[in-house]
Amino acid sequence: KAGVTQTPRYLIKTRGQQVTLSCSPISGHRSVSWYQQTPGQGLQFLFEYFSETQRNKGNFPGRFSGRQFSNSRSEMNVSTLELGDSALYLCASSLTGGYQETQYFGPGTRLLVL
Amino acid sequence: GEDVEQSLFLSVREGDSSVINCTYTDSSSTYLYWYKQEPGAGLQLLTYIFSNMDMKQDQRLTVLLNKKDKHLSLRIADTQTGDSAIYFCARGGSQGNLIFGKGTKLSVKP
Repeated sequence: KAGVTQTPRYLIKTRGQQVTLSCSPISGHRSVSWYQQTPGQGLQFLFEYFSETQRNKGNFPGRFSGRQFSNSRSEMNVSTLELGDSALYLCASSLTGGYQETQYFGPGTRLLVL
Repeated sequence: GEDVEQSLFLSVREGDSSVINCTYTDSSSTYLYWYKQEPGAGLQLLTYIFSNMDMKQDQRLTVLLNKKDKHLSLRIADTQTGDSAIYFCARGGSQGNLIFGKGTKLSVKP
């Protein structure tokens, strides 16, 4: 079974631009969560999608948004990029997102904002 | 203080046992997890423990949970150079998310 895939793996943008990252979950998984990893703040939860609906959201500004498609693939978008948005963005999938379920992570997209 | 805390660095010799410690403040989580991150890679789930257990063994990995002291540890027996990585302790959050510690960088010297 293929794992979680994320595209692109690396991205360089400039301040003020917007970016879209993609995540394809493990086949059969319907929950997709997104995390931001930075050296200073560590791993922080962005949001979780299930059945095309945002079910949970972390403490990030509205510039960070996402969506999920009917095939469970998810995208996250960051508008008006800031230097502090440089980070590794990880997505994780699980069957239904229940607390007892294991979350499987993708390799991440490394975003550099100049 | 942080919700989930870990020491930042651990250095061991190849063949020794490694013990990575973690403390947490919120004991409401049903599961506690250990993830491994190698350079340039995502997170790999190593093992997890249910909150009503106090020990779980999985090959070279042993997880100990002291719920009273809110202390979790991961022991890696016969540590190899391939075990060099960052190890994250995490607990399940109320939003179905994972709350992570800052990670412990394990260096294994030959």
